[in-house]
Amino acid sequence: EVQLVESGGGLIPPGGSLRLSCAASGFTVSSNYMSWVRQAPGKGLEWVSIIYSDGRTFYADSVKGRFTISRDNSKNTVYLQMNSLRAEDTAVYYCARAITVTTNFDSWGQGTLVTVSS
Amino acid sequence: DIQMTQSPSSLSASVGDRVTITCRASQSILSYLNWYQQIPGKAPKLLISGASTLQSGVPSRFSGSGSGSDFTLTISSLQPEDSATYYCQQCYNNPTFGQGTRLEIK
Repeated sequence: EVQLVESGGGLIPPGGSLRLSCAASGFTVSSNYMSWVRQAPGKGLEWVSIIYSDGRTFYADSVKGRFTISRDNSKNTVYLQMNSLRAEDTAVYYCARAITVTTNFDSWGQGTLVTVSS
Repeated sequence: DIQMTQSPSSLSASVGDRVTITCRASQSILSYLNWYQQIPGKAPKLLISGASTLQSGVPSRFSGSGSGSDFTLTISSLQPEDSATYYCQQCYNNPTFGQGTRLEIK
């Protein structure tokens, strides 16, 4: 069974850093296209970042230069390092899987809440 | 970035009604369009990929159509469990989502 479990969210002051983790089971992250998608409270979905099976990474303009996506194949886990956090980064962060480069996100985690506030 | 615009933003319909949600892309995305359903407090669920391919386990009352820049999601006979927010998403390049359509059952 495919499963994604996010962790690492919490309350962080503006300018701070946080690393989110997404532990996968039932499939291999390095063979898939793994993304982070966020949802601010009461708002819609916003794609954040993706790491391709070949290791290439891409980011939304809103987080470029501040966030870094990576993976640890030995742990079958994907990470999102978030630096220089802003209030507008407050959201539930979902990890999502796509099997192909056409990003049909067929599996999602339960999400982890990041709150940026002093 | 490709902008995705959904309409309406919200709607209310009765059980058994036929419901249509539209999604327009700011440029042609061929058929690289997905639809998701999100129930409050839950993660999104992929309903339709490639504009019209129903995912396994999704009820056949859901259907998708369109190509280029104009797409529709249709629920042929609305059921109580269809109360949710629906999002379109283009996968022509880096993904972008529509703003969502909140569907309420009268």
